[in-house]
Amino acid sequence: NAGVTQTPKFQVLKTGQSMTLQCAQDMNHEYMSWYRQDPGMGLRLIHYSVGAGITDQGEVPNGYNVSRSTTEDFPLRLLSAAPSQTSVYFCASRSPGQGNPDTQYFGPGTRLTVL
Amino acid sequence: RKEVEQDPGPFNVPEGATVAFNCTYSNSASQSFFWYRQDCRKEPKLLMSVYSSGNEDGRFTAQLNRASQYISLLIRDSKLSDSATYLCVFLTGTASKLTFGTGTRLQVTL
Repeated sequence: NAGVTQTPKFQVLKTGQSMTLQCAQDMNHEYMSWYRQDPGMGLRLIHYSVGAGITDQGEVPNGYNVSRSTTEDFPLRLLSAAPSQTSVYFCASRSPGQGNPDTQYFGPGTRLTVL
Repeated sequence: RKEVEQDPGPFNVPEGATVAFNCTYSNSASQSFFWYRQDCRKEPKLLMSVYSSGNEDGRFTAQLNRASQYISLLIRDSKLSDSATYLCVFLTGTASKLTFGTGTRLQVTL
């Protein structure tokens, strides 16, 4: 199993550009989430999904869109990048019905800089 | 009051020392508690769950105090490899969301 994979690992954008951060998991997990991590702020939930076709907003959803057309993929779209979106983005997944149901598995992160 | 509060540290301890971290939470409905470890520039990884009766995993002991609404992590015989940031995490209500503390940084030195 590859676990949770994210691409790209690093990205630099200009203000106003749009892009999509990719996230995929091969563990057949139902729940997937996107977090951003900023110094002194901890991990903050952006959007999450409890299954294909179902998404919901987290704590800091503004400026981001998500979709979940398959169980495996959960892309995060930045609509019009702003310097305030400079951060490290983590995708995560877990399954309430398997093994240790509350274990959250994280991808390696995407380091995004918006100039 | 913040949902979860952790002392950011850093805690600088010599190898072999015992060190303890606390994490307080405000939501009394919190159901499950965890400690995650995050190495510099890496993703968080589950260290251990925290059970009401307390639990050990080798040199690590986790405890939960529901009355005072805090969890703790005790590390005995610290190793250089224990240097990392330790995040407290709890699950409340809607099962799809976890709340993370900002982390406590531990630096173990020779």
